[in-house]
Amino acid sequence: EAGVVQSPRYKIIEKKQPVAFWCNPISGHNTLYWYLQNLGQGPELLIRYENEEAVDDSQLPKDRFSAERLKGVDSTLKIQPAELGDSAVYLCASSLTRERESGYEQYFGPGTRLTVT
Amino acid sequence: DQQVKQNSPSLSVQEGRISILNCDYTNSMFDYFLWYKKYPAEGPTFLISISSIKDKNEDGRFTVFLNKSAKHLSLHIVPSQPGDSAVYFCAARKGGSQGNLIFGKGTKLSVKP
Repeated sequence: EAGVVQSPRYKIIEKKQPVAFWCNPISGHNTLYWYLQNLGQGPELLIRYENEEAVDDSQLPKDRFSAERLKGVDSTLKIQPAELGDSAVYLCASSLTRERESGYEQYFGPGTRLTVT
Repeated sequence: DQQVKQNSPSLSVQEGRISILNCDYTNSMFDYFLWYKKYPAEGPTFLISISSIKDKNEDGRFTVFLNKSAKHLSLHIVPSQPGDSAVYFCAARKGGSQGNLIFGKGTKLSVKP
């Protein structure tokens, strides 16, 4: 079974430029997450989708960040314009169900390392 | 305010010995706890979890212990192997339909041959 796929793996852009990240979750996983991971920190949730609906975007800086999950499968996360402080690893994760009986495990992609210069 | 704390940034252990990674939390509403392992340039990989209704869960060389009264959990790896060298993240989930995972900062484990 293929894991969570993310692209690109690395991205270097100048500040004020736009950037987009793409995520393809594990087949059949209805819940998709975007996380931000700064150096020396744990992942921090940006947005969570249940199918195509964003059910928790309270931590997403909406002035410059946007996300979409068309058709409830692939998802894109966009930053426009990027700032120096956005340099980090952006992780996508997916899960099959959010029921206790099945566990709450999330499966992560390899991440996109963004460097803003 | 950090709700999940991993106070040891790093830990070094000899191969074959026990590794004990610790995690403290502050929110009594957390009902599920998970440990993730992360190698460089890879995403975190799920390792083991425990529900708040249990105090121990084992999976091979990995055992997680939960002490609810102390709001403390620990991951034991016995015996430790060089391939276990990675960053380990503790994560906690708040109960309810809106519960998301809150991660600690991680502990870097080095297992020396």
